[in-house]
Amino acid sequence: ETGVTQSPTHLIKTRGQQVTLRCSSQSGHNTVSWYQQALGQGPQFIFQYYREEENGRGNFPPRFSGLQFPNYSSELNVNALELDDSALYLCASSLPTGLAGNEQFFGPGTRLTVL
Amino acid sequence: AQSVTQPDIHITVSEGASLELRCNYSYGATPYLFWYVQSPGQGLQLLLKYFSGDTLVQGIKGFEAEFKRSQSSFNLRKPSVHWSDAAEYFCAVASQGTYKYIFGTGTRLKVLA
Repeated sequence: ETGVTQSPTHLIKTRGQQVTLRCSSQSGHNTVSWYQQALGQGPQFIFQYYREEENGRGNFPPRFSGLQFPNYSSELNVNALELDDSALYLCASSLPTGLAGNEQFFGPGTRLTVL
Repeated sequence: AQSVTQPDIHITVSEGASLELRCNYSYGATPYLFWYVQSPGQGLQLLLKYFSGDTLVQGIKGFEAEFKRSQSSFNLRKPSVHWSDAAEYFCAVASQGTYKYIFGTGTRLKVLA
């Protein structure tokens, strides 16, 4: 069974650019959540996708957007990058229903640096 | 507002000593509670979770946690720490019927040989 994978591992961008991060969910999981983990902080919930629809969103501006594909993989897009967007971005997948009671399995993350 | 507090930013223990990491939460209803561990360069790994029932929960790697509703706490314990336990530990809560996990700021554990 393949776990949650994310790509790329590391990424360096400059202010104002756009970035796309990718996540493949664990087999059998149709729910994907994205989190931002700034240095020295806990992960902050960005949004969740369930059956290709956004299922909830945290306190992040609209320039953070996402997609989920029929195979349940997902993308996180960030437009107009700011220095404060530098962080580890974590993807987590979970079993069907999309409810918090289901354990979320985390990928290794993508480290984004904005210069 | 819903929140999770991990009062200890850093903890240092000697190998073989006991460990307790504190977690307090603020939540309206009975929450789902989790402890995750994160090693450098790694994602989060679930140690244990509490949904309902027995308030003492056993997890992987010899960890356990106790849910105390009266104190709004979910402290993580291990009777004898191993050097490989050095990592960052996160407590998280989620409301029943929702999708959103709220994480604490983490406790970094250092283990002395």
